[in-house]
Amino acid sequence: EVQLVESGGGLVQPGGSLRLSCAASGFTFSSYWMHWVRQVPGKGLVWVSRIKTDGSYTNYADSVKGRFTISRDNAENTLYLQMNSLRAEDTAVYYCGAGDSGYLPNWGQGTLVTVSS
Amino acid sequence: EIVLTQSPGTLSLSPGDRATLSCRASQSINNNYLAWYQQKPGRVPRLLIYGAFSRATGIPDRFSGSGSGTDFTLTISRLEPEDFAVYYCQQYSTSSLTFGGGTKVEIK
Repeated sequence: EVQLVESGGGLVQPGGSLRLSCAASGFTFSSYWMHWVRQVPGKGLVWVSRIKTDGSYTNYADSVKGRFTISRDNAENTLYLQMNSLRAEDTAVYYCGAGDSGYLPNWGQGTLVTVSS
Repeated sequence: EIVLTQSPGTLSLSPGDRATLSCRASQSINNNYLAWYQQKPGRVPRLLIYGAFSRATGIPDRFSGSGSGTDFTLTISRLEPEDFAVYYCQQYSTSSLTFGGGTKVEIK
């Protein structure tokens, strides 16, 4: 059974940093593209970033480019999202997803990030 | 960036009705790289359709996807009680993936 478990969310001040993790199990992690998607509670889904199977390719939504960095450790079956220069508008539930380069059959339960003073 | 506009915003229907949800793109989506997801309150999104037409694993055949270019449709042939939820389309034709704003299917 595919399992994705996010962690690392919490309350952070504007301008601060946070690193999210996503622990994967039940599938061959190194064979899947991994994504981060966020959602403000009660609002829609917003794609944030993705990383290729071997980590050789990454890309980002314009809203986070230059501030967020996606990475993965295939030996540890873990995905990361380093978030710097956080803003109030980054407040959301962050989901990790596993799948194809584009669509996501598998989702974690999400971790809440709140940016507030 | 491709902007996806979903309509209607809310669809009020009864169990057994047919639901037709629209997703319109601001520019053509190549290779039919369009997916549909269902999300219920407090739950994570579930992939229904990818490649515009292909049902994901375990998705009942009352869900079907159609369309090409800039206009895509998700059809639920006969609504079951568990189908009342929010539905999102998503394109992966460009390097910057985008989701539509969602259509809520509610019980009339």
